Amino acid sequence: ILNVEQSPQSLHVQEGDSTNFTCSFPSSNFYALHWYRWETAKSPEALFVMTLNGDEKKKGRISATLNTKEGYSYLYIKGSQPEDSATYLCAFIGDGATNKLIFGTGTLLAVQP
Amino acid sequence: DGGITQSPKYLFRKEGQNVTLSCEQNLNHDAMYWYRQDPGQGLRLIYYSQIVNDFQKGDIAEGYSVSREKKESFPLTVTSAQKNPTAFYLCASSMGLTLPGNTIYFGEGSWLTVV
Repeated sequence: ILNVEQSPQSLHVQEGDSTNFTCSFPSSNFYALHWYRWETAKSPEALFVMTLNGDEKKKGRISATLNTKEGYSYLYIKGSQPEDSATYLCAFIGDGATNKLIFGTGTLLAVQP
Repeated sequence: DGGITQSPKYLFRKEGQNVTLSCEQNLNHDAMYWYRQDPGQGLRLIYYSQIVNDFQKGDIAEGYSVSREKKESFPLTVTSAQKNPTAFYLCASSMGLTLPGNTIYFGEGSWLTVV
């Protein structure tokens, strides 16, 4: 059974703090890793799709790195803002034939003004 | 606006009744998916479809059925055989299954409560 772990489960920070989360996944049969941002009462929104070891992606104040050999990805948020409050999900694809995403349980970020 | 529409947003069902959740997309995507979320667990795949008139079981298909008669529609029926149907259900779509860079687009979800 493939397992995707995210840590921490939740995080409370002050506005302006920088923060990071971890997503751990099986290091064999890697195909792709997705990061999603999920605000309450909205649809999950894709942040990054990462496919190559060493990939680094950036979108505004949010960036992500990927290490497929050791099976982890980090998501960084620089200078957190209240609007960054959301659950951040990672999802691993180990089988390219089906594109089946295996999701972690998410990290809930709360940014206090 | 292009996107995925799920309905209803909230649904109550009596035990023993079947219920169908609607999912429509106007993104012209070939692949569609149904996920279920339970407290403390990641999203789990119920069924997926790569193309019209074809669908495959996901990891937790028991007690569910789907159809894909049209490209834009992928309804999910929660049958009375599903032992724990109370959950949050998310529909999603993507351009196709096999490209690693394919982003998945999600609807806003449907809450099903069995009373």
